[in-house]
Amino acid sequence: EDKVVQSPLSLVVHEGDTVTLNCSYEVTNFRSLLWYKQEKKAPTFLFMLTSSGIEKKSGRLSSILDKKELSSILNITATQTGDSAIYLCAVEAPPGTYKYIFGTGTRLKVLA
Amino acid sequence: NAGVTQTPKFQVLKTGQSMTLQCAQDMNHNSMYWYRQDPGMGLRLIYYSASEGTTDKGEVPNGYNVSRLNKREFSLRLESAAPSQTSVYFCASRLAYNEQFFGPGTRLTVL
Repeated sequence: EDKVVQSPLSLVVHEGDTVTLNCSYEVTNFRSLLWYKQEKKAPTFLFMLTSSGIEKKSGRLSSILDKKELSSILNITATQTGDSAIYLCAVEAPPGTYKYIFGTGTRLKVLA
Repeated sequence: NAGVTQTPKFQVLKTGQSMTLQCAQDMNHNSMYWYRQDPGMGLRLIYYSASEGTTDKGEVPNGYNVSRLNKREFSLRLESAAPSQTSVYFCASRLAYNEQFFGPGTRLTVL
């Protein structure tokens, strides 16, 4: 059965800290992995990683795909209180079906 | 561009009542999705429509029906609401193999 597992489930850090969030997956014929940030309402898109694009960066956020380990990490450097949110990982499964399987998310709280 | 819109934003139902959640997108996306989100459960796919005229079940379709009315609109119907269907419902859309865009959500409570 295809599945996506995120860790840790929750995390509390202080402003300025660096955090690493993990996503591991078991899917047949991997095509893409997405990261989303969810504050109070709808998830907003951060990154898409594919076989041809295994590393993405935007400002203080970066993400890497490890196809050998079937996992991805999301790094946030110099965290700010505005980074407090649930971070969701999703993997397309099976390829070509247009369906995504979401992990349960990591709840990040950044203290001032 | 309004993106993905959902109505209503909030709804309270009694057990056994029916209702339809509406979703529309103005981005000319082919695929549309309905998810529910419960505490500690992440987003679970209820139904999706890969293209106009097609619908398929997701992980948790029991108790729900959908209609892809046209390319823009995808509705979710609860025929006989149950307390287990208390949740936040998100609609999403997607163009080909790009990212999904989500609507603002509908918070549904079934008493």
